[in-house]
Amino acid sequence: EVQVVESGGGLVQPGGSLRLSCAASGLTLSNFWMTWVRQAPGKGLEWVATIKEDGSDKYYVDSVKGRFTISRDNARSSVYLQMSSLRAEDTAVYYCASMYMGYWGQGTLVTVSS
Amino acid sequence: HAGLTQPPSVSKDLGQTATLTCTGNSNNVGHQGAVWLQQHQGHPPKLLSYRNTNRPSGISERLSASRSGTIASLTIVGLQPEDEADYYCSAWDSSLTGWVFGGGTKLTVL
Repeated sequence: EVQVVESGGGLVQPGGSLRLSCAASGLTLSNFWMTWVRQAPGKGLEWVATIKEDGSDKYYVDSVKGRFTISRDNARSSVYLQMSSLRAEDTAVYYCASMYMGYWGQGTLVTVSS
Repeated sequence: HAGLTQPPSVSKDLGQTATLTCTGNSNNVGHQGAVWLQQHQGHPPKLLSYRNTNRPSGISERLSASRSGTIASLTIVGLQPEDEADYYCSAWDSSLTGWVFGGGTKLTVL
């Protein structure tokens, strides 16, 4: 059974940093592009970042470019999202997903507030 | 990123058929095809179809997806109470090099 589990969310002050982790099991993570998607409270889904299977290419939504970094460690079957210079508008549940394969985690809540 | 266009809400009676639409352009829906996601309140999204028509194992045969040009559609026949949820379409945009999402359609089963 495939499992995707996000962790690392929490309450952080504006301007602060946070590192999200996504651990996958039951699949060979190195076969898949992986994506972070977020959902602000009461709002729709928003793409954040995507990384290719081998980590050679990374893509970001404009609003997080220069602040967020996506990475992966296929040996650890994990994907990460390093977030810095956090803003109130980054408050959301962050999901880790393989978009075409339909593997989604339960999400981790990031709250940016003073 | 410019998003895909979905109607905000659709209401249908129990047992009827609902068709949800998703309008994109030649760089996303018209090129790579769309994925459809279902989300119940308080739960993560669930993949219903990918690359326009492919349905993952375990997804009800009452659901089918299609595409005509730059418009993707999701049809649900014989609506059941459990079909009441938010539905999102998404596609990889080759021009923007990123995923674009629709704003979501809230399906109400009366």
